[in-house]
Formats: sequence, structure tokens, C-alpha cells
Amino acid sequence: QVQLVQSGAEVKNPGASVKLSCKASGYTFTTYYIHWVRQAPGQGLEWMGMVNPSFGSTNYLQSFRGRVTMTRDTSTSTVYMELNSLRSEDTAVYFCVRERPGALHGMDVWGQGSTVTVSS
Amino acid sequence: EIVLTQSPGTLSLSPGERATLSCRASQSVDSRYLAWYQQKSGQAPRLLIYGASTRATGIPDRFSGSGSGTDFTLTISRLEPEDFALYYCQHYGFSVWTFGQGTKVEIK
Repeated sequence: QVQLVQSGAEVKNPGASVKLSCKASGYTFTTYYIHWVRQAPGQGLEWMGMVNPSFGSTNYLQSFRGRVTMTRDTSTSTVYMELNSLRSEDTAVYFCVRERPGALHGMDVWGQGSTVTVSS
Repeated sequence: EIVLTQSPGTLSLSPGERATLSCRASQSVDSRYLAWYQQKSGQAPRLLIYGASTRATGIPDRFSGSGSGTDFTLTISRLEPEDFALYYCQHYGFSVWTFGQGTKVEIK
């Protein structure tokens, strides 16, 4: 079945970096974009950016540019999201989610989420 | 930047009742890029509706979406116990994906 399986929970100090993974299976990896969406405790959903697994091209939300990097490894059908210079406000659950290119069909398959806690 | 405002913040209803959730955009948007998601506590969101009115695979027909321009609506015709959850609208435009702040549907 189609699924996205994310890496486990992380605890980081302020100023550190975190790198999360999202492994896709059950479909052709290069035919769907992968997005990252985060949710701070008790808050709503925030889109961070996306990567096109076919070419590795990316599009980041302005507020994350310079601090986030999304990459992919086609040999393992895995997407990575690295966030640098962590601060307490980055404490959140991070979801990867796929989207059929064109933005016409929503985001249909979500990972289970990876919890990142930033605390000294 | 397009801002999506959902109302009400919380909807208190009983099972079997009709739920009407609103999503208003700060400017007119292309309805083809409007989606709705359901999120239950501790779970990832689930796609309900895309293109403003098309149900995603496996979504019961008690869920329906409508609207155009700046005003969009998610309707749940008869609430089932499993429908009490958070609901988000989402839009894509100008290379940015935006979510509304959510509406909580709770048991009255």
C-alpha cells in the first residue's frame, strides 16, 4: 500500500540542526511531489516547502528560506528535511505529505509525523 | 499573500445534526486549488475534498464541499461519532500553500 514512513522523534538544543527523513513506498517515487507541513503544539498546520523528487528542485516558504533544506535520494525513495538554527518555536510535529503535481488534487497521503522538541 | 479565515472556531453539535463550516479567502482564489482536511487528535490530517467539491478516495458522501471566489463551505450532512474532529481548509496560489486556522467540531 502507499505509505510515507517518517523518522523518529528528536530532541535538540537551541541553535542545533535536525534532519528528518520520509521514506515512500507503494508508488513511483518520482511522480509525486513531497511537502513538509508542521504543527506546533495546539496550533494549526503550517506549510514549509516541497521537493520535486524527479529533479530535486525545491520551493520553500519565504519564512524558512536560508534555514531549511529539502533533498531526496531516488535510490531509496526517501526525502529529507533539514532545519538549522533551531529555536523553541520550532518545537512541533513535522509531517511529510505527497501531492500529485499540478496542485489540483490536494495532498493525499501523509506520513505519521516526526516530533521535534527544541529545549535546553 | 492569501489568508484563509475559517469560522466558526468551534462548532458544538450532536450526532445526526448537520455541520456547516466556512472558509473565507482574503481575495478571490481559483477553486480548483481549494481543499479540506480532517484531523483527529494525535493523527495526521486526512484529505477530504479537493477542487473545492470533489471528494477524495474513500470519503463518505455525507461530506460535501462547495463555493467559489472568496467563500467556501464544507458540509457534513449528518454527523457521525467519528466526524468530531478538527477541519482545515487549504489553498495553493502564487507557489505557496496556505492553511486556514481550523474549525473544531465537538460533541454538544
